[in-house]
Amino acid sequence: GEDVEQSLFLSVREGDSSVINCTYTDSSSTYLYWYKQEPGAGLQLLTYIFSNMDMKQDQRLTVLLNKKDKHLSLRIADTQTGDSAIYFCAESDGVTGANNLFFGTGTRLTVIP
Amino acid sequence: DAMVIQNPRYQVTQFGKPVTLSCSQTLNHNVMYWYQQKSSQAPKLLFHYYDKDFNNEADTPDNFQSRRPNTSFCFLDIRSPGLGDAAMYLCATSRYSGEQFFGPGTRLTVL
Repeated sequence: GEDVEQSLFLSVREGDSSVINCTYTDSSSTYLYWYKQEPGAGLQLLTYIFSNMDMKQDQRLTVLLNKKDKHLSLRIADTQTGDSAIYFCAESDGVTGANNLFFGTGTRLTVIP
Repeated sequence: DAMVIQNPRYQVTQFGKPVTLSCSQTLNHNVMYWYQQKSSQAPKLLFHYYDKDFNNEADTPDNFQSRRPNTSFCFLDIRSPGLGDAAMYLCATSRYSGEQFFGPGTRLTVL
């Protein structure tokens, strides 16, 4: 089955860039996603990348995809204290007409003022 | 605003006492999903409804059932909750295989 892995913790200083990494095993993934979860809240979609792309930029967020190595990263420029949260990468299995997501373990980002 | 609503936000039940969690949506999406997220773990897909068709994940315990009486509502029934079922339960919707929109979750405590 699908296996998605992330490092558990990341601490950065306010104003620095954050880079959160993810590896996955399912080479048939069509889309790869980054979600943000704040304490006690649901999941908020931040951005996604189609599997035939290498990079996608959206304001402070940059997603890099290395399909050969099955490695995905999320860079947050000028990290703010409001960015403190858990970040999940996810892949969709693309098997059904729905969009079943398989999540990584999540990376807890702590931004130090 | 179009949204995904989960009720209640917090649910306490006793060991073995059936419990139902509710999800509703105003997005008119045809797919609804239920995820289980245990403390400090990734959300795990339990099942989804594609229109009226129920799709169970292979490793979802029989203790978990779901109902979707209409497009807007979907229920998660836990027939005999065990201590290991304490978790956050997340409902999500999508239009076909498009972006999933998540509700705020229901945190279930089993005493």
